[in-house]
Amino acid sequence: GDSVTQMEGPVTLSEEAFLTINCTYTATGYPSLFWYVQYPGEGLQLLLKATKADDKGSNKGFEATYRKETTSFHLEKGSVQVSDSAVYFCALSGNQAGTALIFGKGTTLSVSS
Amino acid sequence: DTAVSQTPKYLVTQMGNDKSIKCEQNLGHDTMYWYKQDSKKFLKIMFSYNNKELIINETVPNRFSPKSPDKAHLNLHINSLELGDSAVYFCASSQGIMGATNEKLFFGSGTQLSVL
Repeated sequence: GDSVTQMEGPVTLSEEAFLTINCTYTATGYPSLFWYVQYPGEGLQLLLKATKADDKGSNKGFEATYRKETTSFHLEKGSVQVSDSAVYFCALSGNQAGTALIFGKGTTLSVSS
Repeated sequence: DTAVSQTPKYLVTQMGNDKSIKCEQNLGHDTMYWYKQDSKKFLKIMFSYNNKELIINETVPNRFSPKSPDKAHLNLHINSLELGDSAVYFCASSQGIMGATNEKLFFGSGTQLSVL
């Protein structure tokens, strides 16, 4: 079945460092891909998405490009802030109606000043 | 005005008890979901309803029973609670059905269930 694999965390960075969180997927057909973020004590929020190959999703300085050839959707940010400390989830949605959003295991990011 | 609200936020109970978690969304969405997040933050779909009709029912013990009285509400009842049920339960909603559309999910802030 469809699945998402994320790099293990935690990721610990200093403020203004470059961030990459790797995500690869296995799916039949052409899924849509998402990054969600969970701040402490809160529910998940959509960060960005891409619905077809070579699409780039971007939001709040974060970017991810849908790479079908490598089945990847890596999250990047050029300069992280303390406020970016959270758990980041890569997710995919198959293209059959009624399939659930499938999440990776999450990567905890901790940014220090 | 909270878009997806769950109650209670915390639930501490003894093994063997029966408990319910309630969820309401005021976004006018047609589809609602229950996800379970374990202690390692892994999220797994449990159920989904579209316009009060069950459309996703993952391999979940039948002690868990969802109920959707209308499309704005999706409650989760758990019978005979076990230690392994301890987790954070998230309710979510979307306008359409995932897979057919690719809108985002809106999540509640979670219910932390602790079974002692």
